[in-house]
Amino acid sequence: KQEVTQIPAALSVPEGENLVLNCSFTDSAIYNLQWFRQDPGKGLTSLLLIQSSQREQTSGRLNASLDKSSGRSTLYIAASQPGDSATYLCAVVTDSWGKFQFGAGTQVVVTP
Amino acid sequence: GAGVSQSPRYKVAKRGQDVALRCDPISGHVSLFWYQQALGQGPEFLTYFQNEAQLDKSGLPSDRFFAERPEGSVSTLKIQRTQQEDSAVYLCASSRGLAGDEQFFGPGTRLTVL
Repeated sequence: KQEVTQIPAALSVPEGENLVLNCSFTDSAIYNLQWFRQDPGKGLTSLLLIQSSQREQTSGRLNASLDKSSGRSTLYIAASQPGDSATYLCAVVTDSWGKFQFGAGTQVVVTP
Repeated sequence: GAGVSQSPRYKVAKRGQDVALRCDPISGHVSLFWYQQALGQGPEFLTYFQNEAQLDKSGLPSDRFFAERPEGSVSTLKIQRTQQEDSAVYLCASSRGLAGDEQFFGPGTRLTVL
C-alpha cells in the first residue's frame, strides 16, 4: 500500500527565507504528484501538478521537483511571505482512476 | 460552474441523526471523488464516481455511509445514524477523467456530531 510522508510536520521561518518542504512516497509507480495548499477551515488549493514523466514544475515563487526512483518530491517556496502561512499537502495518484493518497501535511508559519 | 461547490458548509448533527452532503462538480467533469479529512490529518479517500457509476467505494468506513451520483453530475454523500467519530471535513473533488488530470477540490463540509 502506498504511504506518503511529509517532513517536517510543522515549520516556522522569518519572512524572506526560502521554504523547503519534503514529501516521500513508498511506491514509485505513480501517475502524478500534486502539491496543495490548505488554509484553516478551507478546502484545498492546487499549487503544482507534476506528471510522472516530469522532473519539476515551476509557478512564480514555487518550484516542485520529483524523483520517482527515490520516491521523493520537494516543494521550494522562494522569499517567503506571511501570506504563505498555511498547511501544505502533497498527494500521489497510483491508480488509473486518479485516486489520491495524501500526506498528513506540513504546517508553515511565516513570521513578519 | 466556476469551481466545485459543496453544501452545506457546516453541519451539526446529534448522534444518531442522518445527514446528506452535496457536491456540485465542475461542469463536464467525468470523475468525482469524496474524501474525509480528520483534524490535523491529510484527506482519506472514501469513494469514486465515473459519470454515474460508482467504481470504487473501498474507502467508505462502514455501511452507514452511502454515496450516489444518479445523473452523472451532482453527488450526495449520506451518512446514516451518525456517530461522533464521523466528525470531520468531507471534501469533494472533480476532474476531467484521466489519471494524470488535475483535480479540483471544493471548500468542504465540516460535520460535527454531538
